[in-house]
Amino acid sequence: GQQVMQIPQYQHVQEGEDFTTYCNSSTTLSNIQWYKQRPGGHPVFLIQLVKSGEVKKQKRLTFQFGEAKKNSSLHITATQTTDVGTYFCAGYSVLKLTFGKGTLLTVNP
Amino acid sequence: DTEVTQTPKHLVMGMTNKKSLKCEQHMGHRAMYWYKQKAKKPPELMFVYSYEKLSINESVPSRFSPECPNSSLLNLHLHALQPEDSALYLCASSHGPSYEQYFGPGTRLTVT
Repeated sequence: GQQVMQIPQYQHVQEGEDFTTYCNSSTTLSNIQWYKQRPGGHPVFLIQLVKSGEVKKQKRLTFQFGEAKKNSSLHITATQTTDVGTYFCAGYSVLKLTFGKGTLLTVNP
Repeated sequence: DTEVTQTPKHLVMGMTNKKSLKCEQHMGHRAMYWYKQKAKKPPELMFVYSYEKLSINESVPSRFSPECPNSSLLNLHLHALQPEDSALYLCASSHGPSYEQYFGPGTRLTVT
């Protein structure tokens, strides 16, 4: 079945440092979605990428979708303590959304 | 209104009990989902309903029985659960299978 790998599993940064998480699918995706889950919370949708090579920005967050539509990345510039949480990529293919294992980001103030 | 509500927030049940989890959305979404999430793990898809019909069952044990009474409601009936079924059960909805999903706050289930 479809697999979505995500690295790193954990990332600890000092406030102000940048952060990147990477996602790779075993199959070509129709789209990729990114979610954030705060500790004790539920996943919250951040963005969806559909086109090959697509790049989208949300303030300090930059999302990329690879040319082959099999990989994606999320980059946060100048992290803040409010960025703490687990970031999941989720690849959509064959009517299903498959989540990566997530990257837990902690930020030291 | 972009909210998905779930009740109860917490549930403790014995292995012989029967209980139900409820989920509601009023966004006009036609796809609804049940996920199971263990600590420090990603959400794991259990069931997908599309236009009130079950479209995906991820080989979930029959002790979990989903029901979609109408386009706004989704239930998950629980019977004879095992302790390893203890988890956060998340409901989500979307306009369709390929669209972004809106998650409810979840029901934290403990099976004793």
